[in-house]
Amino acid sequence: AQSVTQPDIHITVSEGASLELRCNYSYGATPYLFWYVQSPGQGLQLLLKYFSGDTLVQGIKGFEAEFKRSQSSFNLRKPSVHWSDAAEYFCAVGLRSSNTGKLIFGQGTTLQVKP
Amino acid sequence: DGGITQSPKYLFRKEGQNVTLSCEQNLNHDAMYWYRQDPGQGLRLIYYSQIVNDFQKGDIAEGYSVSREKKESFPLTVTSAQKNPTAFYLCATWGGPNTGELFFGEGSRLTVL
Repeated sequence: AQSVTQPDIHITVSEGASLELRCNYSYGATPYLFWYVQSPGQGLQLLLKYFSGDTLVQGIKGFEAEFKRSQSSFNLRKPSVHWSDAAEYFCAVGLRSSNTGKLIFGQGTTLQVKP
Repeated sequence: DGGITQSPKYLFRKEGQNVTLSCEQNLNHDAMYWYRQDPGQGLRLIYYSQIVNDFQKGDIAEGYSVSREKKESFPLTVTSAQKNPTAFYLCATWGGPNTGELFFGEGSRLTVL
């Protein structure tokens, strides 16, 4: 069965430090890959996505992610974290052949930023 | 502004009551989705609709019902059969195969008293 794993439930980093959030997926083929961010009590906002082509994708708010087929991973990175980045982050995958928007989401990683 | 509007944002319900959560969109998207969010469990798909007058069960449809009479609207009813309805509910639309992206509303928090 398809699945998405975010191994880190909670991460704390200092403001200005670098960040990497991990995402691993289990799929029969290369899926669509997404990272979303959610502030408390709010909906989800798309940070970036991978469809095809360059495996390093750039997103909003200075985030980037790299698709590594051999590791079935799509880790999210940011070189310097800002206090406003504190939120919950979700990795999601979609099946290319389904022609639907059915995404499978990871459990989420809560990011706390220390001043 | 284009977007997805969910209402109410907060809702309290007594056990045994049905409640309906509203989701309206003006993005002109065909497909709409309902997800349930619980702490530590990510998002789980309740129902989705790819076109008017058609909808499909997701992974956790038991105790929920939906309708899709208009393209713009996809209301979710949480029935008394849902054993643990307290949760955060998110409505989304799909931008289509060219974007693959889901667009989300602001969510509705349901609390059963």
